[in-house]
Amino acid sequence: KAGVTQTPRYLIKTRGQQVTLSCSPISGHRSVSWYQQTPGQGLQFLFEYFSETQRNKGNFPGRFSGRQFSNSRSEMNVSTLELGDSALYLCASKPWVQNTGELFFGEGSRLTVL
Amino acid sequence: SQKIEQNSEALNIQEGKTATLTCNYTNYSPAYLQWYRQDPGRGPVFLLLIRENEKEKRKERLKVTFDTTLKQSLFHITASQPADSATYLCALDEETGANNLFFGTGTRLTVIP
Repeated sequence: KAGVTQTPRYLIKTRGQQVTLSCSPISGHRSVSWYQQTPGQGLQFLFEYFSETQRNKGNFPGRFSGRQFSNSRSEMNVSTLELGDSALYLCASKPWVQNTGELFFGEGSRLTVL
Repeated sequence: SQKIEQNSEALNIQEGKTATLTCNYTNYSPAYLQWYRQDPGRGPVFLLLIRENEKEKRKERLKVTFDTTLKQSLFHITASQPADSATYLCALDEETGANNLFFGTGTRLTVIP
């Protein structure tokens, strides 16, 4: 079974631009979460989607948004990029939203904002 | 304010010894606590989950304890090996329906041959 796939793995943007990151969960997993990881703050929850609906959102500005498609694939978008948005963006999936248990993480998309 | 603190940013240990990592939390009421391993440039990988009503959980050379009175979890790796070198993250799940984990900043473990 293929794992969580994130694309692109690396990207460089400049301030003010926008970026879209993609995540394909493990087949059969319907819950997709996004996390931002930085050296200073560690892993911080961005949002979670289940059945194309955003169920929860972390404490991030509105420049961060996401969506989920009917095949459970998810995208997140960051508009008007700032230097502080440089981070590893991790996507994680699990079978269904009420299933408390492990998250399956992808390898992440490393974003550098210049 | 809410905090999750992992004992130290880095821990060096001799091969064969037991590594003990600490996770302390403040102002959380976790129903579950999880431990993950993260290698450089990779995503975290789940290791163990322990529920609030469980005192201890084991898996091969790994052992986790959870003390809700002390608000602390201990993560032990016995007979440590250089391949155990990685960053270890603890994560709390409050099971409020919010379905998001709160992560500590991790402890970077180095096992010296």
